[in-house]
Amino acid sequence: DIVTTQSPDSLAASLGERATINCKSSQSVFSTTTNKNYLAWYQQKPGHPPKLLIYWASTRESGVPDRFSGSWSGTDFTLTISSLQAEDVAVYYCQQYYRTPYNFGQGTKLEIK
Amino acid sequence: QEQLQQSGPGLVNPSQTLSLTCAISGDSVSSSSAAWNWIRQSPSRGLEWLGRTYYRSKWNNDYAVSVKSRITISPDTSKNQFSLQLDSVTPEDTGVYFCARSKLGITVNWYFDLWGRGTLVSVSS
Repeated sequence: DIVTTQSPDSLAASLGERATINCKSSQSVFSTTTNKNYLAWYQQKPGHPPKLLIYWASTRESGVPDRFSGSWSGTDFTLTISSLQAEDVAVYYCQQYYRTPYNFGQGTKLEIK
Repeated sequence: QEQLQQSGPGLVNPSQTLSLTCAISGDSVSSSSAAWNWIRQSPSRGLEWLGRTYYRSKWNNDYAVSVKSRITISPDTSKNQFSLQLDSVTPEDTGVYFCARSKLGITVNWYFDLWGRGTLVSVSS
């Protein structure tokens, strides 16, 4: 199985500050057939299902603010929120969909400092 | 508007079968460009993908090894919905169950772009 491990488990940042969440996959999730990384990021608020933010490691889902961005280097992936807003308080998950079982990271809880 | 509407009991007795249904609006369970998944969430296991069903020339299923001996995900084309059956449940199966769509492209591996609201299922006598 491909395991995805997030860091940190929790993060507190000030409004307007940059927040960075990391995700490491135990194996490559890059397909040479499609030339894409099979890695997604989700945001989950209490009482709601996860919401897709980023797919193919760096493509923003329609309607997602451009302060959210995804990047990678090898098997290390990063979700960056460029200027933290109050509504960004949530738990964030990475997920690999390169092969089943589609594993999620353990989650990173983002709070306002 | 695309939507997934979940239904099913919130309490199941140990050793019994957990059954949930996910009704699809705005898409088709028989679409060759979508797969229909069940995912659960609990404090101990986090978000756990359980399995999926999809149609590509024929109906296909994939299941997580952790539940493979107990799970059935099946489509109902007449009602445009799909269901989850999990047999012989224990308190470890307690959690919030989500249905979700993943699109299919060149490969059958895709992200989850549409989710149901979730159903809290407790396994307890």
